[in-house]
Amino acid sequence: NAGVTQTPKFQVLKTGQSMTLQCAQDMNHNSMYWYRQDPGMGLRLIYYSASEGTTDKGEVPNGYNVSRLNKREFSLRLESAAPSQTSVYFCASDRSTDTQYFGPGTRLTVL
Amino acid sequence: GENVEQHPSTLSVQEGDSAVIKCTYSDSASNYFPWYKQELGKRPQLIIDIRSNVGEKKDQRIAVTLNKTAKHFSLHITETQPEDSAVYFCAASNVNAGNMLTFGGGTRLMVKP
Repeated sequence: NAGVTQTPKFQVLKTGQSMTLQCAQDMNHNSMYWYRQDPGMGLRLIYYSASEGTTDKGEVPNGYNVSRLNKREFSLRLESAAPSQTSVYFCASDRSTDTQYFGPGTRLTVL
Repeated sequence: GENVEQHPSTLSVQEGDSAVIKCTYSDSASNYFPWYKQELGKRPQLIIDIRSNVGEKKDQRIAVTLNKTAKHFSLHITETQPEDSAVYFCAASNVNAGNMLTFGGGTRLMVKP
């Protein structure tokens, strides 16, 4: 039981490049989330998916898209990366009314 | 939307002393209040949570209290140890409307041996 996994662990992009962050969970959770954490700050919700086939915007969705590929996987895409998107990205999952479990994070730097 | 304020931003205590971190929230519909501990370079990990139908919850050296009327909740750590040093985050959500957590800004706790 791996819990929540994320790939890659680290990534450096140039402004304007695109990339997809991958997240998977093996806990049969319905809900999945993407957060970003900037230095010295709390986590802010980018997008979430309450169930397979549904996605909704969170607090800071601009510049991102998501795909809930199936119940296990929830990806986050940056179409045209900007320096303001330099951050640590955490994926999380839960059963919708219970403890949210976080992945190990992806540290993204946009030059 | 929900707004969560957390104080203090840094807290330094002597080993064995108690530490208290306080949070306030704005949305009266919030009914789930977890606390996460994050060590440097690691993922946030849940240490304790409380729901709006109780006023206090304890787990060994950790306790959380909730005052729904005043919309604030607090984390209490007793007999602090150096391994308690980390950043602590409070959060709030309404589980009846999707469990989207709104986080406070974090408290860096330093426990001096």
